[in-house]
Amino acid sequence: AQSVTQLDSHVSVSEGTPVLLRCNYSSSYSPSLFWYVQHPNKGLQLLLKYTSAATLVKGINGFEAEFKKSETSFHLTKPSAHMSDAAEYFCVVSLSGGSYIPTFGRGTSLIVHP
Amino acid sequence: DAGVTQSPTHLIKTRGQQVTLRCSPKSGHDTVSWYQQALGQGPQFIFQYYEEEERQRGNFPDRFSGHQFPNYSSELNVNALLLGDSALYLCASSLVSLAGGETQYFGPGTRLLVL
Repeated sequence: AQSVTQLDSHVSVSEGTPVLLRCNYSSSYSPSLFWYVQHPNKGLQLLLKYTSAATLVKGINGFEAEFKKSETSFHLTKPSAHMSDAAEYFCVVSLSGGSYIPTFGRGTSLIVHP
Repeated sequence: DAGVTQSPTHLIKTRGQQVTLRCSPKSGHDTVSWYQQALGQGPQFIFQYYEEEERQRGNFPDRFSGHQFPNYSSELNVNALLLGDSALYLCASSLVSLAGGETQYFGPGTRLLVL
């Protein structure tokens, strides 16, 4: 069984300050982990992906995430928020091997203030 | 290179009706997955098609069915619509990997409203 918990439903930051979106996962097997972003009235766009290679994963638009097995976490960070980062962010877990069903978190809404 | 496309963009139906949604995958992809995203929720996996067969299925009733064509495009059919079926339906395509963990590319979705 697998599950993912996004610890914050909303995160509010000022432009130019760091961003931290938290995600914890539960998986019986070695997981693949993803972060997607969804802007209003648009489809989901892949930010980054972890698949048991380097634990620090760099993605698009300056985002990165660190896989911490001991803490079962995969938090998304960005050093400096931009107004265009305002969107809904989803953490996703799926198994790396055998049958799998991707499981999405409930989402974190990132609000960026000028 | 065209990404994932879906049609129609919006749809209004009444309870008890049937609906068909369509998806064309990204060029070079052979696998199509469908998701339901209710308002304020994360997407929920409905099923995935590969080689014209249903490969995986989430926790959705048999009213939800699908099909994949030889050109890899796909349809999602929902029978006997309920008010609770109102949602954004997302299609995602990928290249199959026996190891799993495939990267999925999403279309813009079809917004279905059931009255």
